[in-house]
Amino acid sequence: DAKTTQPPSMDCAEGRAANLPCNHSTISGNEYVYWYRQIHSQGPQYIIHGLKNNETNEMASLIITEDRKSSTLILPHATLRDTAVYYCIVRVDSTSGTYKYIFGTGTRLKVLA
Amino acid sequence: NAGVTQTPKFQVLKTGQSMTLQCAQDMNHEYMSWYRQDPGMGLRLIHYSVGAGITDQGEVPNGYNVSRSTTEDFPLRLLSAAPSQTSVYFCASSYSPVAKNIQYFGAGTRLSVL
Repeated sequence: DAKTTQPPSMDCAEGRAANLPCNHSTISGNEYVYWYRQIHSQGPQYIIHGLKNNETNEMASLIITEDRKSSTLILPHATLRDTAVYYCIVRVDSTSGTYKYIFGTGTRLKVLA
Repeated sequence: NAGVTQTPKFQVLKTGQSMTLQCAQDMNHEYMSWYRQDPGMGLRLIHYSVGAGITDQGEVPNGYNVSRSTTEDFPLRLLSAAPSQTSVYFCASSYSPVAKNIQYFGAGTRLSVL
């Protein structure tokens, strides 16, 4: 019951911007969009999150559409070390009143030298 | 501040054996969760907890039990190990409130069931 869809894989030339899309058309008004990445078989690492406005930190930028149904993670100058699986997730409310986070399969980004 | 600590890092079990994967965090996080990751696949949620004494099922809960008696610890029990449970297991924790919930992950436990 993942609430996000992402392309399974993408390539990007080293030094160029990597733009990773995510569709979250059923997102609720107060839910954040989170991005994580997983390098090799390490534990996933938080990258960035946002609600409505575009966000930027030292790792990436997040562009959220005005209707909030999709977003794009931007790595402005991709390096070989950015090769990883990138996950876009939102909160899923459970019928029991709790909430959970479903990761899905993510996008496998390969940065090419 | 150690973050999220998982033990053991590696484990080999025989079919039918039981064991407990340990997860501890020292960040006073309310929310904790367990995921499994099979080779070449994404993470699948097993169980999660929104606070001490409260647990709930994720996507693939069968064959696993959890309890949350303290804020710090969230152990995952395999009742009778099966080869299909061979996987890498990740524990994560995050601070509530609900609105912003950045999860911090442990290094994982690599489990093989023969």
